[in-house]
Amino acid sequence: QVQLQESGPGLVKPSQTLSLSCAVSGVSITSTTYFWSWIRQPAGKGLEWIGRLHTRESTNYNPSLKSRVTISVDTSRNHFTLDLTSVTAADTALYYCAAYPGATGSFDYWGQGILVTVSS
Amino acid sequence: QAVLTQPPSVSGAPGQRVTISCTGSSSNIGAPYDVHWYKQLPQTAPQLLINGNINRPSGVPDRLSDSKSGTTASLAITGLQAEDEADYYCQSYDSSLSGWVFGGGTKLTVL
Repeated sequence: QVQLQESGPGLVKPSQTLSLSCAVSGVSITSTTYFWSWIRQPAGKGLEWIGRLHTRESTNYNPSLKSRVTISVDTSRNHFTLDLTSVTAADTALYYCAAYPGATGSFDYWGQGILVTVSS
Repeated sequence: QAVLTQPPSVSGAPGQRVTISCTGSSSNIGAPYDVHWYKQLPQTAPQLLINGNINRPSGVPDRLSDSKSGTTASLAITGLQAEDEADYYCQSYDSSLSGWVFGGGTKLTVL
């Protein structure tokens, strides 16, 4: 069973970089079965896909965030990270890491989410 | 503005049937790419409810079913129960964006 756990600061100042980590357990992050994603949800609003990573394929990002986002992997720690630069209040949201099998494209596994507030 | 359009809210009495629509375009649902459905309870992460290309995950009752026609997908819930009250989201792939897209979410209220 794949388990995911987000971690990182809950408060980030405007114009700074938001950095989050997602610890993966139950499967190796180098597994060819899964793609690893970040998804966010502003309070009271819907879900927004941020991007996805697979250790054997190129990383893809939401075009609306592409210029500010980097998703990378640390295979030694079996986790992947999200960096979002030049944040504003509009980036305040609950951030989830999630995993989907490449064969289905459905997000079968989710972390519990981490609230990140952008404020000075 | 979400790429996939869902009604903001639907409601029904216990035992009734409700449907939640999810309308997209020729670059996603109409392409056709699979549509998946999620249920989100307050203060919890979304959970996969129905996978559009395989059987529903274990534990998901067969009161729930999905369908698709053209650029619109639908989730139907029959025999409505209090435990069905939640937010529901649809998700698909969009070829013009080369990424995953979600609906704006529908709040289901059991009267």
